[in-house]
Amino acid sequence: DVKVTQSSRYLVKRTGEKVFLECVQDMDHENMFWYRQDPGLGLRLIYFSYDVKMKEKGDIPEGYSVSREKKERFSLILESASTNQTSMYLCASSSRGGLGTQYFGPGTRLLVL
Amino acid sequence: GEDVEQSLFLSVREGDSSVINCTYTDSSSTYLYWYKQEPGAGLQLLTYIFSNMDMKQDQRLTVLLNKKDKHLSLRIADTQTGDSAIYFCASGYSSASKIIFGSGTRLSIRP
Repeated sequence: DVKVTQSSRYLVKRTGEKVFLECVQDMDHENMFWYRQDPGLGLRLIYFSYDVKMKEKGDIPEGYSVSREKKERFSLILESASTNQTSMYLCASSSRGGLGTQYFGPGTRLLVL
Repeated sequence: GEDVEQSLFLSVREGDSSVINCTYTDSSSTYLYWYKQEPGAGLQLLTYIFSNMDMKQDQRLTVLLNKKDKHLSLRIADTQTGDSAIYFCASGYSSASKIIFGSGTRLSIRP
């Protein structure tokens, strides 16, 4: 079974803090994605990566950066957390071949005070 | 940009059929997916359909695709309390591409 894990289920941070969210997948997938999920807005793509050290901006990259130094790990960084970044963050991975099915982690619920 | 739309809420009685509808704009979509999100969890792939298919059935689930109208539906027969979740419709056009997700339909079950 594909497993995607995220470093924390819940996080509480203060405005201005630097926040790291980590995602690890164990299926040797080339593609990895970071989304945020907000009520009524569905999933919005923040950043994605097709390979190690490669990254592409998604629909809402402002205020975020990412790092992919190893194939299995994709990190999302909030350089200076703000209250409007309070959200559920979901990581996903997919294989370059096949159906393009994305496999999701359980999510990190981030609260910025 | 490309978009996927679905209604936000659906309430059905236990034992009835649920039908969740979705429309998409990308005519080059190759794959169409339904994902399920249970409370406090990530999304899980429920089923998918290729764009060259009209229908796919998998136990209690039936997916119908009208490619001309870019309309996708998910029917859940004999809806149970365990089907309570948010259902996301999504479209993609190649196996390496981004997937565009709808806003999700929250399905609630009445006794």
